[in-house]
Amino acid sequence: DGGITQSPKYLFRKEGQNVTLSCEQNLNHDAMYWYRQDPGQGLRLIYYSQIVNDFQKGDIAEGYSVSREKKESFPLTVTSAQKNPTAFYLCASRIPGGDTQYFGPGTRLTVL
Amino acid sequence: SQQGEEDPQALSIQEGENATMNCSYKTSINNLQWYRQNSGRGLVHLILIRSNEREKHSGRLRVTLDTSKKSSSLLITASRAADTASYFCATDDGNSGYALNFGKGTSLLVTP
Repeated sequence: DGGITQSPKYLFRKEGQNVTLSCEQNLNHDAMYWYRQDPGQGLRLIYYSQIVNDFQKGDIAEGYSVSREKKESFPLTVTSAQKNPTAFYLCASRIPGGDTQYFGPGTRLTVL
Repeated sequence: SQQGEEDPQALSIQEGENATMNCSYKTSINNLQWYRQNSGRGLVHLILIRSNEREKHSGRLRVTLDTSKKSSSLLITASRAADTASYFCATDDGNSGYALNFGKGTSLLVTP
Protein backbone atom coordinates (compact mmCIF):
# COMPACT_ATOMS: atom_id res chain seq x y z
CA ASP A 1 0.00 0.00 0.00
CA GLY A 2 1.32 3.42 -0.92
CA GLY A 3 0.71 6.35 1.34
CA ILE A 4 1.86 8.65 4.09
CA THR A 5 2.06 7.51 7.67
CA GLN A 6 2.43 9.64 10.77
CA SER A 7 3.22 8.46 14.23
CA PRO A 8 2.23 8.55 16.94
CA LYS A 9 -1.46 9.36 16.53
CA TYR A 10 -1.57 10.99 19.96
CA LEU A 11 1.38 12.50 21.80
CA PHE A 12 1.57 14.05 25.22
CA ARG A 13 4.42 16.26 26.23
CA LYS A 14 5.42 17.94 29.42
CA GLU A 15 6.41 21.57 29.27
CA GLY A 16 10.09 21.99 28.53
CA GLN A 17 10.44 18.72 26.60
CA ASN A 18 11.30 18.30 22.96
CA VAL A 19 9.27 15.79 20.99
CA THR A 20 9.66 14.41 17.49
CA LEU A 21 6.77 13.61 15.17
CA SER A 22 7.36 11.05 12.47
CA CYS A 23 6.28 11.34 8.84
CA GLU A 24 7.08 8.61 6.32
CA GLN A 25 5.95 8.22 2.71
CA ASN A 26 6.46 5.48 0.15
CA LEU A 27 5.00 7.43 -2.76
CA ASN A 28 8.41 8.43 -4.14
CA HIS A 29 7.46 12.09 -3.73
CA ASP A 30 10.22 14.68 -3.56
CA ALA A 31 8.32 17.48 -1.83
CA MET A 32 7.09 17.16 1.73
CA TYR A 33 5.35 19.60 4.03
CA TRP A 34 4.43 20.08 7.68
CA TYR A 35 1.28 21.97 8.63
CA ARG A 36 -0.22 22.89 11.96
CA GLN A 37 -3.97 23.00 12.55
CA ASP A 38 -5.59 24.65 15.55
CA PRO A 39 -9.27 24.09 16.47
CA GLY A 40 -11.62 25.73 14.00
CA GLN A 41 -8.72 26.96 11.93
CA GLY A 42 -7.16 26.20 8.60
CA LEU A 43 -3.71 24.74 8.14
CA ARG A 44 -0.58 26.84 8.53
CA LEU A 45 2.76 25.92 7.00
CA ILE A 46 5.62 25.11 9.39
CA TYR A 47 8.38 23.75 7.14
CA TYR A 48 8.71 22.32 3.67
CA SER A 49 11.31 20.33 1.79
CA GLN A 50 11.55 20.00 -1.96
CA ILE A 51 14.50 17.61 -2.02
CA VAL A 52 16.64 15.50 0.26
CA ASN A 53 19.00 17.49 2.51
CA ASP A 54 17.17 20.73 1.83
CA PHE A 55 14.31 22.36 3.71
CA GLN A 56 12.85 25.81 4.15
CA LYS A 57 10.93 27.64 6.86
CA GLY A 58 7.25 28.25 6.41
CA ASP A 59 5.06 30.86 8.03
CA ILE A 60 5.28 29.59 11.61
CA ALA A 61 8.68 27.86 11.90
CA GLU A 62 9.71 29.35 15.24
CA GLY A 63 10.08 26.65 17.89
CA TYR A 64 10.20 23.82 15.33
CA SER A 65 12.99 21.99 13.53
CA VAL A 66 13.09 19.39 10.75
CA SER A 67 15.50 17.15 8.91
CA ARG A 68 15.39 15.49 5.51
CA GLU A 69 18.09 12.86 5.39
CA LYS A 70 16.02 10.41 3.34
CA LYS A 71 13.47 10.96 0.61
CA GLU A 72 10.92 8.90 2.51
CA SER A 73 11.19 10.65 5.85
CA PHE A 74 10.57 14.19 7.09
CA PRO A 75 10.46 14.25 10.92
CA LEU A 76 9.36 17.34 12.82
CA THR A 77 10.74 18.23 16.24
CA VAL A 78 8.68 20.46 18.47
CA THR A 79 11.14 22.15 20.78
CA SER A 80 10.65 23.70 24.19
CA ALA A 81 10.94 27.09 22.46
CA GLN A 82 7.50 26.58 20.91
CA LYS A 83 5.26 28.44 23.34
CA ASN A 84 1.92 26.96 22.37
CA PRO A 85 2.54 23.56 20.80
CA THR A 86 -0.82 21.93 21.52
CA ALA A 87 -2.30 21.36 18.06
CA PHE A 88 -2.99 18.85 15.31
CA TYR A 89 0.04 18.32 13.04
CA LEU A 90 -0.34 17.18 9.46
CA CYS A 91 2.33 16.00 7.08
CA ALA A 92 1.84 16.04 3.32
CA SER A 93 3.75 15.19 0.18
CA ARG A 94 3.44 16.18 -3.46
CA ILE A 95 4.18 14.31 -6.64
CA PRO A 96 6.98 15.85 -8.75
CA GLY A 97 5.43 18.37 -11.11
CA GLY A 98 2.02 17.78 -9.60
CA ASP A 99 -0.33 20.10 -7.76
CA THR A 100 -2.22 17.82 -5.41
CA GLN A 101 -0.94 17.16 -1.91
CA TYR A 102 -1.42 13.87 -0.14
CA PHE A 103 -1.90 14.05 3.59
CA GLY A 104 -1.08 11.72 6.42
CA PRO A 105 -3.60 10.99 9.19
CA GLY A 106 -2.09 13.54 11.58
CA THR A 107 -0.61 13.61 15.08
CA ARG A 108 -2.44 15.31 17.90
CA LEU A 109 0.05 16.83 20.34
CA THR A 110 -1.04 17.89 23.79
CA VAL A 111 1.19 19.69 26.26
CA LEU A 112 0.43 18.79 29.85
CA SER B 1 1.11 34.26 3.48
CA GLN B 2 -2.37 34.88 2.20
CA GLN B 3 -5.20 32.71 3.33
CA GLY B 4 -8.53 31.96 1.80
CA GLU B 5 -11.76 32.59 3.63
CA GLU B 6 -14.65 30.19 3.41
CA ASP B 7 -18.27 31.14 3.78
CA PRO B 8 -20.35 30.02 5.58
CA GLN B 9 -18.37 28.80 8.59
CA ALA B 10 -21.01 26.17 9.24
CA LEU B 11 -23.79 24.69 7.14
CA SER B 12 -26.54 22.28 8.14
CA ILE B 13 -28.75 20.62 5.52
CA GLN B 14 -30.83 17.50 5.05
CA GLU B 15 -29.93 14.53 2.91
CA GLY B 16 -30.78 15.09 -0.72
CA GLU B 17 -30.29 18.85 -0.58
CA ASN B 18 -27.45 20.68 -2.27
CA ALA B 19 -24.63 22.28 -0.30
CA THR B 20 -22.79 25.36 -1.53
CA MET B 21 -19.62 26.68 0.02
CA ASN B 22 -17.73 29.78 -1.03
CA CYS B 23 -14.09 30.73 -0.83
CA SER B 24 -12.34 34.05 -1.31
CA TYR B 25 -8.63 34.62 -1.61
CA LYS B 26 -6.29 37.56 -1.85
CA THR B 27 -3.55 37.18 -4.45
CA SER B 28 -2.95 35.68 -7.88
CA ILE B 29 -2.96 31.91 -7.92
CA ASN B 30 -1.85 28.98 -10.07
CA ASN B 31 -4.77 26.85 -9.00
CA LEU B 32 -7.37 26.43 -6.28
CA GLN B 33 -8.11 23.12 -4.63
CA TRP B 34 -10.82 21.82 -2.32
CA TYR B 35 -10.07 19.33 0.42
CA ARG B 36 -12.26 17.45 2.83
CA GLN B 37 -11.46 16.58 6.43
CA ASN B 38 -13.40 14.18 8.58
CA SER B 39 -13.18 14.90 12.28
CA GLY B 40 -9.68 14.26 13.62
CA ARG B 41 -8.38 12.94 10.33
CA GLY B 42 -6.08 14.01 7.54
CA LEU B 43 -7.22 15.93 4.50
CA VAL B 44 -8.43 14.30 1.30
CA HIS B 45 -8.16 16.04 -2.04
CA LEU B 46 -11.49 16.53 -3.79
CA ILE B 47 -10.99 18.67 -6.86
CA LEU B 48 -8.58 21.15 -8.44
CA ILE B 49 -9.34 24.03 -10.74
CA ARG B 50 -6.64 25.94 -12.58
CA SER B 51 -6.53 29.70 -12.87
CA ASN B 52 -7.50 29.55 -16.56
CA GLU B 53 -10.56 27.41 -15.90
CA ARG B 54 -14.00 28.65 -14.88
CA GLU B 55 -15.85 25.49 -13.96
CA LYS B 56 -15.09 21.87 -13.27
CA HIS B 57 -17.13 18.81 -12.37
CA SER B 58 -16.29 15.57 -10.60
CA GLY B 59 -19.14 13.25 -9.73
CA ARG B 60 -21.48 15.17 -7.40
CA LEU B 61 -19.00 18.02 -7.08
CA ARG B 62 -19.02 21.22 -9.09
CA VAL B 63 -16.45 23.93 -8.54
CA THR B 64 -16.36 27.38 -10.09
CA LEU B 65 -13.58 29.94 -10.13
CA ASP B 66 -13.83 33.68 -10.75
CA THR B 67 -10.32 35.09 -10.80
CA SER B 68 -11.60 38.65 -11.31
CA LYS B 69 -13.42 38.43 -7.99
CA LYS B 70 -10.81 36.11 -6.45
CA SER B 71 -13.50 33.69 -5.40
CA SER B 72 -14.54 30.08 -5.82
CA SER B 73 -17.53 27.99 -4.91
CA LEU B 74 -17.98 24.29 -4.26
CA LEU B 75 -21.36 22.70 -4.86
CA ILE B 76 -22.15 19.25 -3.55
CA THR B 77 -25.34 17.94 -5.11
CA ALA B 78 -27.73 15.43 -3.54
CA SER B 79 -25.88 15.47 -0.21
CA ARG B 80 -25.57 12.33 1.88
CA ALA B 81 -24.97 11.88 5.60
CA ALA B 82 -21.50 10.60 4.68
CA ASP B 83 -20.68 14.05 3.27
CA THR B 84 -20.61 15.43 6.83
CA ALA B 85 -17.11 16.87 7.22
CA SER B 86 -15.13 20.09 7.08
CA TYR B 87 -14.29 21.45 3.65
CA PHE B 88 -11.28 23.63 2.95
CA CYS B 89 -10.25 25.63 -0.03
CA ALA B 90 -6.53 25.92 -0.64
CA THR B 91 -4.66 28.10 -3.08
CA ASP B 92 -1.34 27.50 -4.75
CA ASP B 93 0.45 30.73 -5.58
CA GLY B 94 3.69 29.04 -6.57
CA ASN B 95 5.54 30.24 -3.49
CA SER B 96 6.99 28.25 -0.59
CA GLY B 97 7.72 25.18 -2.66
CA TYR B 98 4.12 25.06 -3.88
CA ALA B 99 2.80 24.77 -0.36
CA LEU B 100 -0.91 25.44 -0.07
CA ASN B 101 -2.59 28.37 1.63
CA PHE B 102 -5.69 27.20 3.46
CA GLY B 103 -8.85 28.90 4.60
CA LYS B 104 -10.51 28.18 7.92
CA GLY B 105 -13.01 25.80 6.38
CA THR B 106 -16.74 25.22 6.24
CA SER B 107 -18.20 22.65 8.60
CA LEU B 108 -20.97 20.74 6.81
CA LEU B 109 -23.55 18.68 8.66
CA VAL B 110 -25.90 16.52 6.60
CA THR B 111 -28.75 15.02 8.60
CA PRO B 112 -30.77 11.99 7.48
